[in-house]
Amino acid sequence: GAVVSQHPSRVICKSGTSVKIECRSLDFQATTMFWYRQFPKQSLMLMATSNEGSKATYEQGVEKDKFLINHASLTLSTLTVTSAHPEDSSFYICSAWDRRSGELFFGEGSRLTVL
Amino acid sequence: GESVGLHLPTLSVQEGDNSIINCAYSNSASDYFIWYKQESGKGPQFIIDIRSNMDKRQGQRVTVLLNKTVKHLSLQIAATQPGDSAVYFCAETSYSSYKLIFGSGTRLLVRP
Repeated sequence: GAVVSQHPSRVICKSGTSVKIECRSLDFQATTMFWYRQFPKQSLMLMATSNEGSKATYEQGVEKDKFLINHASLTLSTLTVTSAHPEDSSFYICSAWDRRSGELFFGEGSRLTVL
Repeated sequence: GESVGLHLPTLSVQEGDNSIINCAYSNSASDYFIWYKQESGKGPQFIIDIRSNMDKRQGQRVTVLLNKTVKHLSLQIAATQPGDSAVYFCAETSYSSYKLIFGSGTRLLVRP
Protein backbone atom coordinates (compact mmCIF):
# COMPACT_ATOMS: atom_id res chain seq x y z
CA GLY A 1 0.00 0.00 0.00
CA ALA A 2 0.88 3.67 -0.16
CA VAL A 3 3.54 4.83 2.27
CA VAL A 4 4.69 8.16 3.60
CA SER A 5 8.30 8.36 4.68
CA GLN A 6 9.84 10.90 7.01
CA HIS A 7 13.50 11.65 7.44
CA PRO A 8 15.26 11.90 9.79
CA SER A 9 13.40 9.89 12.39
CA ARG A 10 15.47 11.46 15.15
CA VAL A 11 17.57 14.60 15.19
CA ILE A 12 19.44 16.40 17.92
CA CYS A 13 20.67 19.91 17.30
CA LYS A 14 22.11 22.85 19.15
CA SER A 15 20.02 25.85 20.04
CA GLY A 16 20.09 28.45 17.29
CA THR A 17 20.63 26.05 14.42
CA SER A 18 18.10 25.10 11.76
CA VAL A 19 16.81 21.62 11.08
CA LYS A 20 15.10 20.27 7.97
CA ILE A 21 12.62 17.39 8.07
CA GLU A 22 11.52 15.67 4.88
CA CYS A 23 8.19 14.05 4.13
CA ARG A 24 7.89 11.89 1.02
CA SER A 25 4.98 10.07 -0.51
CA LEU A 26 6.58 6.94 -1.91
CA ASP A 27 4.11 5.59 -4.44
CA PHE A 28 1.55 8.28 -4.96
CA GLN A 29 1.45 11.97 -5.74
CA ALA A 30 0.37 14.24 -2.95
CA THR A 31 -0.65 17.76 -3.87
CA THR A 32 -1.51 18.34 -0.23
CA MET A 33 0.47 17.33 2.82
CA PHE A 34 -0.02 18.27 6.42
CA TRP A 35 2.44 18.90 9.23
CA TYR A 36 1.61 18.14 12.84
CA ARG A 37 3.47 18.66 16.10
CA GLN A 38 2.99 16.48 19.13
CA PHE A 39 4.31 17.21 22.61
CA PRO A 40 4.63 14.37 25.14
CA LYS A 41 1.31 12.99 26.36
CA GLN A 42 -0.60 15.37 24.14
CA SER A 43 -2.54 15.15 20.94
CA LEU A 44 -1.36 15.96 17.44
CA MET A 45 -1.71 19.64 16.68
CA LEU A 46 -2.02 20.72 13.06
CA MET A 47 0.67 23.24 12.18
CA ALA A 48 0.17 23.85 8.50
CA THR A 49 -1.15 22.59 5.21
CA SER A 50 1.50 22.18 2.56
CA ASN A 51 0.34 22.74 -1.01
CA GLU A 52 2.44 21.70 -3.98
CA GLY A 53 3.59 24.70 -5.97
CA SER A 54 2.14 27.31 -3.66
CA LYS A 55 2.57 28.77 -0.21
CA ALA A 56 1.71 26.74 2.83
CA THR A 57 -1.32 27.62 4.91
CA TYR A 58 -0.46 27.96 8.59
CA GLU A 59 -2.76 27.41 11.52
CA GLN A 60 -3.38 30.22 13.95
CA GLY A 61 -0.49 30.70 16.34
CA VAL A 62 2.10 28.93 14.20
CA GLU A 63 4.96 31.18 13.14
CA LYS A 64 5.47 30.83 9.42
CA ASP A 65 8.91 32.43 9.54
CA LYS A 66 10.04 29.92 12.10
CA PHE A 67 8.55 26.82 10.51
CA LEU A 68 9.37 27.06 6.83
CA ILE A 69 7.48 24.67 4.59
CA ASN A 70 8.41 23.90 1.03
CA HIS A 71 6.39 21.60 -1.20
CA ALA A 72 8.39 21.77 -4.40
CA SER A 73 7.32 18.47 -5.91
CA LEU A 74 4.32 16.18 -5.85
CA THR A 75 6.11 13.71 -3.61
CA LEU A 76 8.13 15.87 -1.23
CA SER A 77 7.36 18.43 1.43
CA THR A 78 9.98 19.77 3.82
CA LEU A 79 9.62 21.45 7.19
CA THR A 80 12.55 23.58 8.34
CA VAL A 81 12.65 24.63 11.97
CA THR A 82 14.73 27.79 11.90
CA SER A 83 16.79 29.03 14.83
CA ALA A 84 15.59 26.12 16.91
CA HIS A 85 15.22 26.49 20.66
CA PRO A 86 14.64 23.86 23.36
CA GLU A 87 10.91 24.63 23.38
CA ASP A 88 10.78 23.48 19.75
CA SER A 89 11.72 19.99 20.87
CA SER A 90 8.79 17.84 19.83
CA PHE A 91 7.59 15.00 17.64
CA TYR A 92 6.83 16.28 14.14
CA ILE A 93 4.54 14.17 11.97
CA CYS A 94 3.51 14.63 8.37
CA SER A 95 0.59 13.21 6.47
CA ALA A 96 -0.38 13.12 2.83
CA TRP A 97 -3.65 12.62 0.98
CA ASP A 98 -3.75 10.10 -1.81
CA ARG A 99 -6.59 11.68 -3.74
CA ARG A 100 -6.94 8.66 -6.01
CA SER A 101 -8.01 6.50 -3.11
CA GLY A 102 -9.17 9.21 -0.73
CA GLU A 103 -6.90 7.80 1.94
CA LEU A 104 -4.69 9.77 4.29
CA PHE A 105 -1.33 8.31 5.20
CA PHE A 106 0.94 9.33 8.05
CA GLY A 107 4.68 9.28 8.30
CA GLU A 108 6.39 7.65 11.25
CA GLY A 109 7.33 11.00 12.73
CA SER A 110 10.55 12.86 13.42
CA ARG A 111 11.66 13.47 16.97
CA LEU A 112 13.51 16.76 17.34
CA THR A 113 15.58 17.48 20.43
CA VAL A 114 17.11 20.92 20.74
CA LEU A 115 19.89 21.22 23.29
CA GLY B 1 -2.56 24.98 15.79
CA GLU B 2 -5.91 23.39 16.33
CA SER B 3 -6.46 20.63 18.84
CA VAL B 4 -9.26 19.53 21.03
CA GLY B 5 -8.05 19.47 24.62
CA LEU B 6 -4.68 18.78 26.15
CA HIS B 7 -5.52 15.97 28.59
CA LEU B 8 -4.78 12.29 28.09
CA PRO B 9 -7.17 10.15 30.13
CA THR B 10 -6.40 6.50 30.71
CA LEU B 11 -8.66 3.49 30.32
CA SER B 12 -7.49 0.31 32.02
CA VAL B 13 -9.16 -2.96 31.02
CA GLN B 14 -8.64 -6.65 31.67
CA GLU B 15 -7.38 -8.72 28.78
CA GLY B 16 -10.35 -10.30 27.03
CA ASP B 17 -12.83 -7.64 28.09
CA ASN B 18 -14.39 -5.16 25.70
CA SER B 19 -13.11 -1.59 25.62
CA ILE B 20 -15.06 1.54 24.83
CA ILE B 21 -13.20 4.73 24.08
CA ASN B 22 -15.17 7.94 23.73
CA CYS B 23 -14.52 11.17 21.89
CA ALA B 24 -16.33 14.47 21.56
CA TYR B 25 -15.62 16.20 18.29
CA SER B 26 -15.72 19.92 17.78
CA ASN B 27 -17.07 20.84 14.35
CA SER B 28 -20.65 20.13 13.39
CA ALA B 29 -19.63 20.58 9.74
CA SER B 30 -17.23 17.63 9.89
CA ASP B 31 -18.41 14.79 7.70
CA TYR B 32 -15.66 12.21 7.98
CA PHE B 33 -14.19 10.71 11.12
CA ILE B 34 -11.27 8.42 11.75
CA TRP B 35 -9.93 6.53 14.74
CA TYR B 36 -6.18 6.15 15.03
CA LYS B 37 -3.93 4.09 17.26
CA GLN B 38 -0.56 5.48 18.22
CA GLU B 39 2.20 3.48 19.84
CA SER B 40 5.06 5.17 21.60
CA GLY B 41 7.44 6.94 19.23
CA LYS B 42 5.44 6.12 16.12
CA GLY B 43 3.05 7.88 13.80
CA PRO B 44 -0.72 7.32 13.97
CA GLN B 45 -2.04 4.06 12.58
CA PHE B 46 -5.46 3.97 10.90
CA ILE B 47 -8.01 1.76 12.66
CA ILE B 48 -11.43 2.53 11.24
CA ASP B 49 -13.35 5.39 9.70
CA ILE B 50 -16.95 6.48 9.35
CA ARG B 51 -18.77 8.98 7.20
CA SER B 52 -21.39 11.31 8.58
CA ASN B 53 -24.21 9.56 6.72
CA MET B 54 -23.63 6.49 8.88
CA ASP B 55 -24.05 5.93 12.60
CA LYS B 56 -22.21 2.64 12.93
CA ARG B 57 -19.44 0.81 11.18
CA GLN B 58 -17.81 -2.45 12.06
CA GLY B 59 -14.38 -3.78 11.36
CA GLN B 60 -12.41 -6.69 12.66
CA ARG B 61 -12.87 -6.58 16.46
CA VAL B 62 -13.61 -2.84 16.27
CA THR B 63 -16.81 -0.85 15.94
CA VAL B 64 -17.22 2.88 15.59
CA LEU B 65 -20.41 4.63 16.59
CA LEU B 66 -21.27 8.17 15.54
CA ASN B 67 -23.87 10.36 17.21
CA LYS B 68 -24.08 13.59 15.27
CA THR B 69 -26.74 15.06 17.53
CA VAL B 70 -24.32 15.33 20.42
CA LYS B 71 -21.12 15.29 18.32
CA HIS B 72 -19.88 12.10 19.88
CA LEU B 73 -17.81 9.21 18.59
CA SER B 74 -16.96 5.97 20.27
CA LEU B 75 -14.59 3.14 19.47
CA GLN B 76 -15.42 -0.30 20.75
CA ILE B 77 -12.72 -2.95 20.83
CA ALA B 78 -13.90 -6.49 21.39
CA ALA B 79 -11.84 -9.02 23.34
CA THR B 80 -9.09 -6.51 24.10
CA GLN B 81 -5.58 -7.88 23.75
CA PRO B 82 -2.24 -6.70 25.18
CA GLY B 83 -1.26 -5.54 21.71
CA ASP B 84 -4.13 -3.08 21.83
CA SER B 85 -2.34 -1.06 24.51
CA ALA B 86 -1.66 2.33 22.94
CA VAL B 87 -3.05 5.84 22.73
CA TYR B 88 -6.19 6.19 20.65
CA PHE B 89 -7.22 9.38 18.90
CA CYS B 90 -10.36 10.33 17.10
CA ALA B 91 -9.98 12.77 14.25
CA GLU B 92 -12.45 14.77 12.25
CA THR B 93 -12.38 16.41 8.86
CA SER B 94 -14.56 17.48 6.01
CA TYR B 95 -14.31 16.56 2.37
CA SER B 96 -14.11 20.24 1.53
CA SER B 97 -10.91 20.90 3.47
CA TYR B 98 -9.14 17.55 4.05
CA LYS B 99 -7.65 19.08 7.22
CA LEU B 100 -7.66 16.43 9.90
CA ILE B 101 -8.14 17.70 13.45
CA PHE B 102 -7.32 15.34 16.28
CA GLY B 103 -9.12 14.86 19.56
CA SER B 104 -7.29 14.76 22.86
CA GLY B 105 -6.64 11.03 22.93
CA THR B 106 -7.14 8.19 25.40
CA ARG B 107 -4.47 5.84 26.64
CA LEU B 108 -5.64 2.23 26.73
CA LEU B 109 -3.85 -0.09 29.15
CA VAL B 110 -4.60 -3.79 28.93
CA ARG B 111 -3.99 -5.77 32.11
CA PRO B 112 -2.89 -9.38 31.61
